[in-house]
Amino acid sequence: KAGVTQTPRYLIKTRGQQVTLSCSPISGHRSVSWYQQTPGQGLQFLFEYFSETQRNKGNFPGRFSGRQFSNSRSEMNVSTLELGDSALYLCASSLGLAGAVEQFFGPGTRLTVL
Amino acid sequence: AQTVTQSQPEMSVQEAETVTLSCTYDTSESDYYLFWYKQPPSRQMILVIRQEAYKQQNATENRFSVNFQKAAKSFSLKISDSQLGDAAMYFCASNNAGNMLTFGGGTRLMVKP
Repeated sequence: KAGVTQTPRYLIKTRGQQVTLSCSPISGHRSVSWYQQTPGQGLQFLFEYFSETQRNKGNFPGRFSGRQFSNSRSEMNVSTLELGDSALYLCASSLGLAGAVEQFFGPGTRLTVL
Repeated sequence: AQTVTQSQPEMSVQEAETVTLSCTYDTSESDYYLFWYKQPPSRQMILVIRQEAYKQQNATENRFSVNFQKAAKSFSLKISDSQLGDAAMYFCASNNAGNMLTFGGGTRLMVKP
């Protein structure tokens, strides 16, 4: 079974631009979560989608948004990029919402904002 | 809100020896779950071990085991017979429901041959 895939793997943007990252979960997984990883702030939860509905949202500004499609694939969008948005963005998928369910992580998208 | 703290930014262990990584957490929830994740240099995060807070028995997965002290809100990871492939960043994490993980700052484990 294929793992979680994220595209693109690397991205370079300039301040003020917007970016869209994509995540394809493991087949059959309906929950997708997004995390931002930076050296300074560590791993922080962005949002979670289940069956096309946003279930939870982390403490990020409105410039960060996401959505989930009927096939469970998810995208996150960051508008008006800032230098501080440079990070590794990780996507994770799981079968359901139970707290003990394992989340499977993708390789991440490395975003660099110049 | 949940918080997770890993007080050891870096640890090293000799190959074949045992090492313990520390983690403390704080939560107001009565039902929650704890995890240790490993992030090797390739960056793909993988689950090492999980513990349901309502279970008193410490979880074990082959060479990996935890020491879960609920009253002290402590959740340490013990790696026995350390191998070179164990070198990675290790993150302690918690959640109470859904898939909103709260991570600690991580511990970089180095394994010396």
